[in-house]
Amino acid sequence: EIQLVESGGGLVQPGGSLRLSCAASGFSISSYSMNWVRQAPGKGLEWVSYISRRSTTIYYADSVKGRFTISRDNAKNSLYLQMNSLTAEDTAVYYCASAPPGNGGKIDYWGQGTLVTVSS
Amino acid sequence: QSVLTQPPSASGTPGQRVTISCSGSSSNIGSYTVNWYQQLPGTAPKLLIYSNNQWPSGVPDRFSGSKSGTSASLAISGLQSEDEADYYCAVWDDSSLVFGGGTKLTVL
Repeated sequence: EIQLVESGGGLVQPGGSLRLSCAASGFSISSYSMNWVRQAPGKGLEWVSYISRRSTTIYYADSVKGRFTISRDNAKNSLYLQMNSLTAEDTAVYYCASAPPGNGGKIDYWGQGTLVTVSS
Repeated sequence: QSVLTQPPSASGTPGQRVTISCSGSSSNIGSYTVNWYQQLPGTAPKLLIYSNNQWPSGVPDRFSGSKSGTSASLAISGLQSEDEADYYCAVWDDSSLVFGGGTKLTVL
């Protein structure tokens, strides 16, 4: 069974940091580009970041540029998101999501999400 | 305020056909393919339509997508109660993934 399982979410104070992880099973993420997508409570989907199969190409949404860092370890079949200088606006469920090369909008697999709450 | 504009809500009765629109511009829909996602309450999104009008394995052909110029549409025929969900259009523009604001579909 193909699965993406996120972890690392939780409550953090404004200005704090958090590292999210996403472990894949049932397929090799080395064949896929990977994304983080978030959803604030009661709101729509917002793309956060993209990383290509070999980490040669990385993109960020303007809202997180300079604060978040995406990375991957294909040997561990895992994706990561380092989040620094967190604000209340970063409160959301964060989804790990995979897309085939050549079609970045076709997200085949999604994790169940991990909730990040930024609050004092 | 999303770059892709969707109506916030839509509704229909069982068996009816409903359409959800997604309006963009020449820099997104006009230049790239459109994908659609379904998000049932409390769950992760699920790919419904990709590359404007293609079905992933397992998605019934009651769902169909189309694109014309800078707009796209998702049509659902033979509406069922389990179709009640949020629907999002999305475009990958080679450096970012842009989502529409989402449409909440209610089955009356």
